[in-house]
Amino acid sequence: EAQVTQNPRYLITVTGKKLTVTCSQNMNHEYMSWYRQDPGLGLRQIYYSMNVEVTDKGDVPEGYKVSRKEKRNFPLILESPSPNQTSLYFCASSLSIVTGSSGANVLTFGAGSRLTVL
Amino acid sequence: QKEVEQDPGPLSVPEGAIVSLNCTYSNSAFQYFMWYRQYSRKGPELLMYTYSSGNKEDGRFTAQVDKSSKYISLFIRDSQPSDSATYLCAMTLNMDSNYQLIWGAGTKLIIKP
Repeated sequence: EAQVTQNPRYLITVTGKKLTVTCSQNMNHEYMSWYRQDPGLGLRQIYYSMNVEVTDKGDVPEGYKVSRKEKRNFPLILESPSPNQTSLYFCASSLSIVTGSSGANVLTFGAGSRLTVL
Repeated sequence: QKEVEQDPGPLSVPEGAIVSLNCTYSNSAFQYFMWYRQYSRKGPELLMYTYSSGNKEDGRFTAQVDKSSKYISLFIRDSQPSDSATYLCAMTLNMDSNYQLIWGAGTKLIIKP
C-alpha cells in the first residue's frame, strides 16, 4: 500500500529533551515536507525537500532541523523542544514535477504525530 | 490579513442538506485551487482541484472558483454523516511547486444523522 508513515503518533516530552519524529514514504517521491497544524492557523510548512540532500526552510523553521540522506526518509528533529512546539505534525510527499496538465501534484500525508512539550 | 481566509466553523447541518464551504484569498495570481478533506486523527487527503475559474463536479461534490471575486467554494449535495470532517482549501501559483501551497485554516463540518 502506498503510504507515508510517521512515528511516533503520540509523544509527551519535557522542555529541552531532544526528539526525532521519523517519516518514511514508499512511493519513490522526490518531494517531502513537514507541516505543523494548530487550531485557527491551519497547516504551516516547517521544512521541505525537493530531493536527496536538498532541503529548504518553510514558513516556520525555527527550532527544527531536518535531513534527507535517503529518498524515502525525512526525519524532523527538535534539538531542544519548547512548549510552543506543542502541535500536530504532518509529513507529506509528492512527485516533484507534474508532466502535462492531466492532474494535480497530489500531496500524500501521513497520519500525523501529536507532540506535547511540557 | 492572511493570504487565505476560511471560516473554521464548526458548521453543523442535518443529513441530506446541501453544504457550502468557502475560502477567500488575496493573491490574484493563484491558478490552482484544491480542497483537502481531513478526518479526525488522519492526515489530509485531496478531494478535488480546479485550475483557474469555473466549476468541477465529482459525484456529490462541486468545486467552484470565482477569480474575479477571489472566492472559491465546495458544495456537497445530499450530505452524509460520513462527510463529517475538516475541509481545508489550498491554492498555489503552479502545480510544479508544492512548497508554494497556501492553506486555509480548515472548516470543521458536522453532518447530523
